Parts: sequence; C-alpha cells; structure tokens
Amino acid sequence: NAGVTQTPKFRVLKTGQSMTLLCAQDMNHEYMYWYRQDPGMGLRLIHYSVGEGTTAKGEVPDGYNVSRLKKQNFLLGLESAAPSQTSVYFCASSDSLNYGYTFGSGTRLTVV
Amino acid sequence: AQTVTQSQPEMSVQEAETVTLSCTYDTSESDYYLFWYKQPPSRQMILVIRQEAYKQQNATENRFSVNFQKAAKSFSLKISDSQLGDAAMYFCAYRSARSGATNKLIFGTGTLLAVQP
Repeated sequence: NAGVTQTPKFRVLKTGQSMTLLCAQDMNHEYMYWYRQDPGMGLRLIHYSVGEGTTAKGEVPDGYNVSRLKKQNFLLGLESAAPSQTSVYFCASSDSLNYGYTFGSGTRLTVV
Repeated sequence: AQTVTQSQPEMSVQEAETVTLSCTYDTSESDYYLFWYKQPPSRQMILVIRQEAYKQQNATENRFSVNFQKAAKSFSLKISDSQLGDAAMYFCAYRSARSGATNKLIFGTGTLLAVQP
C-alpha cells in the first residue's frame, strides 16, 4: 500500500517554462489537495478536489491549474513558472470518514 | 474565515525534559477537529495527535498530549521525555466538522523544535 505518491521529488525550472506535478493515491479517497509550503508561512492550500471530475480554488490558486480526471490522480500544472512559485509542494488525500490527511513526500521546485 | 496561529517560531528542549508548543485558533464554528503534525528533516508530514472539539477529554498519544481549551480557543501540544527524534517542525491545524465542509485543513505557520542532547 503506497499511500500518496508524488512525482517528481525535485525539479528546477527556468522562468516561463511549464510543468505538471503528479499526485497518485491508492486508498480510494474522495478528497485530494495541493498545498505549498514556504518558510514562515506554513502550508497554504492551492487547489483541492472533492471527487473525480471536480476541482476548486484554495487560498493561493493564481498561476496554477489542476485536473482530476481519475479518482486516484490529482495533477497540478504551472503554465508559465515564476520565481515566486519556488516552494515545496505537498499533495494530500482524505476521505469523508477519516479525520486526517495522508500526505505525499513533497516536491521541491526551484524556478530560476 | 478560520485562522490558526503559532506564536513560537522556534523552541528548544533538553533531552528527557518536557516542552509545550502553543497554538491558538479563531473560528465561529462549534464543531471541528484540531491536529498536530510533525515534519522531520525528511519533509514527510506525520500526524501526531488529533482532538475532536466535542470531546472535553484531552487527547493523548504516548508521550504526546494536548491541552485543549475550547473557550479560550487554545490547543497546545506537550511532549514529555523529549527524544532526539522529536526534533522537527510542528504544525497545528484546524478542520471544520460542519456538514458539507470539504475537509480542508488550515495550518499554522509552524514551530521548529530543537532537542539538545
């Protein structure tokens, strides 16, 4: 049982490049989330999904897009990366009966 | 909107001693959950302890316990007999229990705990 798997674990992008972060969970969870973690700011919610085919904006959605075409996958896209998007990105999942989240191991993204 | 505040950016404790990490939150809801997560240098987020707001009894998990003061909106974490492996960033988090809520966790800014041998 792998839980939540994020790929890649590290990435360096040049300003203006695009990329997609993949999150996969094998627990049949309904809810999935993308957070970013920055020093002194904790974890802030970017986008989330309450089920297959649904997405919604979180606290800091600008510059990101997401898709949840399959229940087990939640993709985070950066269309035109900016240095302000340098961060550690976490994916997490939960179900309606579980009080906490299961987190992925994070992706460290650097935009130069 | 709900907010979570951790006013101690850094804390330090001697090995085998006890340390308390502070957390306050703001909400107009009466039913919710509170969590403490640990993030060691490996970056993995680990659930330490959970508290349901409707329960008056404070949650305990081995050396970890909380002091939940609902009226004061305070949720502190006590670590007893501190070990070197407890060194980590600790996050306090809030989740609404309201029907129809989306399970979103709201995090504080974290407290970095150092354990001195």
